[in-house]
Amino acid sequence: DTGVSQDPRHKITKRGQNVTFRCDPISEHNRLYWYRQTLGQGPEFLTYFQNEAQLEKSRLLSDRFSAERPKGSFSTLEIQRTEQGDSAMYLCASSPGEGATYNEQFFGPGTRLTVL
Amino acid sequence: GEDVEQSLFLSVREGDSSVINCTYTDSSSTYLYWYKQEPGAGLQLLTYIFSNMDMKQDQRLTVLLNKKDKHLSLRIADTQTGDSAIYFCAEINTGTASKLTFGTGTRLQVTL
Repeated sequence: DTGVSQDPRHKITKRGQNVTFRCDPISEHNRLYWYRQTLGQGPEFLTYFQNEAQLEKSRLLSDRFSAERPKGSFSTLEIQRTEQGDSAMYLCASSPGEGATYNEQFFGPGTRLTVL
Repeated sequence: GEDVEQSLFLSVREGDSSVINCTYTDSSSTYLYWYKQEPGAGLQLLTYIFSNMDMKQDQRLTVLLNKKDKHLSLRIADTQTGDSAIYFCAEINTGTASKLTFGTGTRLQVTL
């Protein structure tokens, strides 16, 4: 399977714990995006990378959130001191980047986070 | 800022046509997309339209864009039970950012 993969698919944690999610984009895709989707809503942009550079961060990304893409391939999203309001589906997407015909973003299956 | 709105729910009978509507506010949108999300699955891109186009047809799907009214619609011909899902419209302004701005989604229910 050569699509976007995310791990884990589900995570249950207690309030105050730290969690880390991983995203593996489609090989050779330069751009990688993180979105958050809460129940009944559309996905909301969190941040994106062009290769290893983090180019934009949403105001939704509080100080407790950090994302990295150290070698320009996979990415991690860490949430420190989780709160119940962090419960959501965290979606990762990748795209070829510059020169892509219509900027299609390919989405992974998501990581569902539940904070108790 | 950008804002994208959709009606929440649509119910149609199998074999009928479905029309899902979307309005957006960003007049600088470059591309507009329709994504499909089935339970437990990721987002699947169905089709897209470039902002200088009025219409695009792709098999059972027809996208209409009214730039003046900032209105986008997706028509599904001969709707099947397998089309039951949540449909999101999304827009992107490649001039300023590469992020997608999504609507709240329309749940399509197809009945027999």
